[in-house]
Parts: sequence; C-alpha cells; structure tokens
Amino acid sequence: DAGITQSPRHKVTETGTPVTLRCHQTENHRYMYWYRQDPGHGLRLIHYSYGVKDTDKGEVSDGYSVSRSKTEDFLLTLESATSSQTSVYFCAISEGYSTDTQYFGPGTRLTVL
Amino acid sequence: QKEVEQNSGPLSVPEGAIASLNCTYSDRGSQSFFWYRQYSGKSPELIMSIYSNGDKEDGRFTAQLNKASQYVSLLIRDSQPSDSATYLCAVNPEANFGNEKLTFGTGTRLTIIP
Repeated sequence: DAGITQSPRHKVTETGTPVTLRCHQTENHRYMYWYRQDPGHGLRLIHYSYGVKDTDKGEVSDGYSVSRSKTEDFLLTLESATSSQTSVYFCAISEGYSTDTQYFGPGTRLTVL
Repeated sequence: QKEVEQNSGPLSVPEGAIASLNCTYSDRGSQSFFWYRQYSGKSPELIMSIYSNGDKEDGRFTAQLNKASQYVSLLIRDSQPSDSATYLCAVNPEANFGNEKLTFGTGTRLTIIP
C-alpha cells in the first residue's frame, strides 16, 4: 500500500468553525490531491498540488483552501465549515506523469452540524 | 453531458459469471484510463490502467478500450462475492495534460450473488 495517512479519520464539528485536514505521504510523490466524495456525485477534485507551495483549484474549490509547505504534507482547510461540506474527504498522490496512477489515502469522514 | 459516465447500477451478477462494467467519456483526446474498486467505507484502489486500444488482461480482470467509440469497459471473469464493490472509471482528459488531473465517473455498484 502507498504510504498515505490522513488525520483525523473522523471529525464532527459545528457550522462556522474552522477545520483542517492533514494528508501525509512517505512516497516523495510530487502531486497531491484533495477530493470529496458524496452520493450521486462521485469523487470531485477540490484542490491539488504539483510541488511545495504550488497549488491549484479543482472543480469544487469554493470554501476550501490548501497549503503545502513540505513535500510530504498537504493540508486542507475549511475556513468556516458549512453543512454542505459534510462529506468523505480523500487525499491522493501520484508521481505526476499522465499515465501515472493516483493512490488514495484512507479518507476522513467529516460531519458539520 | 457528463465528462465520464457510468451506469450507477446496482448490477447483480451470479457467482462464477462474467461481470461487465462500462464507461463512456466525452473528451476524444483522452489518453489514460483507470478502473478503481471501492469497498463500502474504504478508499478507492486501482484495479487496472489502460492506455492503448484493445484488451489488457490481469488475472480475472480484463480492461477494454475503444477510443473511436469513446468507451472503456472492465470485465470480471469467474465473479466472486469478494468482487462486490463500487467500481469507478477515471479518465485523464486531454485538457488536463500538464496538470495530471483525473475525472471520475460516479461509479457502478456491483453485487455478486452466491
């Protein structure tokens, strides 16, 4: 299994509070991604990173920010959580070639009350 | 039109039979195609990748790609109850070249009936 961990694995929070999810990899892969998965929508890309301090938006980036200060860590922040951000969040990594596979972390289940 | 479309199912197949999962995509210039399996409550894991037209076999799994018709399929032979999962089709569209993003379908839920 690819060396990817996510923390926390489960979190319950209240509307309006800030939340930070962490993805940590031990593979030294260049690319890191944050997805959310919701019934009927599949996996949707929130943000991704192609190197330290290099990030870009995905298709559902509103309300989310990211940071990558080290190769191994990619943080996803919800500045002010809303109930619509209740979801399962997956981090993924890849070496970055167009033929390359993305490997997924175990996921974080976030509930915003 | 969705970029990557899959029949959401559920698809029920008797144990030992062939399960056939289909995926169509809209970007004719797409070059990389992936099938992931996702068990309930777990993360997606790669089953197959395919890049050229034709068939690619790996054990009981065969991926088929037809770029002219813009579809990719996954066949599972001798289906086992452990194959019961949601199968996700993912495509690297030509528009994403250089930034290595995948577009996922919504997945097909497969149930193998003992």
